[in-house]
Amino acid sequence: NAGVTQTPKFRVLKTGQSMTLLCAQDMNHEYMYWYRQDPGMGLRLIHYSVGEGTTAKGEVPDGYNVSRLKKQNFLLGLESAAPSQTSVYFCASNRELAVTYEQYFGPGTRLTVT
Amino acid sequence: GNSVTQMEGPVTLSEEAFLTINCTYTATGYPSLFWYVQYPGEGLQLLLKATKADDKGSNKGFEATYRKETTSFHLEKGSVQVSDSAVYFCALSADSWGKLQFGAGTQVVVTP
Repeated sequence: NAGVTQTPKFRVLKTGQSMTLLCAQDMNHEYMYWYRQDPGMGLRLIHYSVGEGTTAKGEVPDGYNVSRLKKQNFLLGLESAAPSQTSVYFCASNRELAVTYEQYFGPGTRLTVT
Repeated sequence: GNSVTQMEGPVTLSEEAFLTINCTYTATGYPSLFWYVQYPGEGLQLLLKATKADDKGSNKGFEATYRKETTSFHLEKGSVQVSDSAVYFCALSADSWGKLQFGAGTQVVVTP
């Protein structure tokens, strides 16, 4: 049982390049989330998904797209990377219905955009 | 909208000292409250939670009580260890989708 895994762990992009971050969970969780962590700002929600085939915007969705084609995977895409997207990205998952349940976090992806 | 405010760090303590990290929140309705911990180079882990007023969450010697009257959820530990050095995040969840609203995080450094 690997929990939540994220690929890659580190990445450096040039401005304008694109990339996809992969999150996978093996706990059969319905809900999945993408957050970004920036110094002094805690974690902020980018997008989330409440089930296979569904996605919704979070607090800071601009410049990102997501897809949840399979229940166990949640992909975060950057179509045209900008230096403001330099951050550490965390994926998390949760069982269904959700308020009191623990979110399980992946180890993070450190992205630098130059 | 909802928000979480926690004390700034870093907080530097000697081993066996008492730790308090203040957390206050603004939310409509009755949110659930959480403390998450992030050890260096790792993702976040749930430390404790409370789902209604006057609930006390506890784990690994840490405690926090949900105080609705003061909209607070302060984290305390009576005797810290070097292994408690980490970043601590206060968070709330106020909707049915489990979305978390985090505070900025407080770095705690415990020295021998």
